[in-house]
Amino acid sequence: QQQVKQSPQSLIVQKGGISIINCAYENTAFDYFPWYQQFPGKGPALLIAIRPDVSEKKEGRFTISFNKSAKQFSLHIMDSQPGDSATYFCAASDRDDKIIFGKGTRLHILP
Amino acid sequence: NAGVTQTPKFQVLKTGQSMTLQCAQDMNHEYMSWYRQDPGMGLRLIHYSVGAGITDQGEVPNGYNVSRSTTEDFPLRLLSAAPSQTSVYFCASTRGGQGANYGYTFGSGTRLTVV
Repeated sequence: QQQVKQSPQSLIVQKGGISIINCAYENTAFDYFPWYQQFPGKGPALLIAIRPDVSEKKEGRFTISFNKSAKQFSLHIMDSQPGDSATYFCAASDRDDKIIFGKGTRLHILP
Repeated sequence: NAGVTQTPKFQVLKTGQSMTLQCAQDMNHEYMSWYRQDPGMGLRLIHYSVGAGITDQGEVPNGYNVSRSTTEDFPLRLLSAAPSQTSVYFCASTRGGQGANYGYTFGSGTRLTVV
């Protein structure tokens, strides 16, 4: 049972465009929704996170939109840059802090 | 601060061999986890620990053992390596605690090949 479904698997965006990655979850006990960024040969690194009591969180060019009723959340990268090319993972955790990851999205920004 | 340190970075094993992947953190984090990363499969939780002496199974625990004798160390043991265990293994830690939901810090990974 895949508890966190992520789409698309891969994404190509022109420099300066908006990159959008979507995730859906099933477990209503999840109460923390982080996004991780991973560059080749490196471990994932926390990018931005949200709790279900807010509908949006913005940090620089990165925004999480959260829809609790639909059990969906998404990552928006504004003004996408070649340096944003990486694999992005959405995730969810419950009060035990055990994190379940989506399968990842490989993002490529065209220069 | 070293963060999360994993050793070795690369390893080749023969089928049936055993080995231990080492993980150490110097941030006094309570929670530690082991993940494996395979193409198209994302990060799958193998085992995790919420403190010294406490461990539990994740999504894919078969063929792996863990123990947590200290807060700093969380080794992962492969009992009898199989080709299906060829993967990149990541150790991660977080301050955690009663659903505080702090972000995980990941190590740089161990790339394991079983032939």
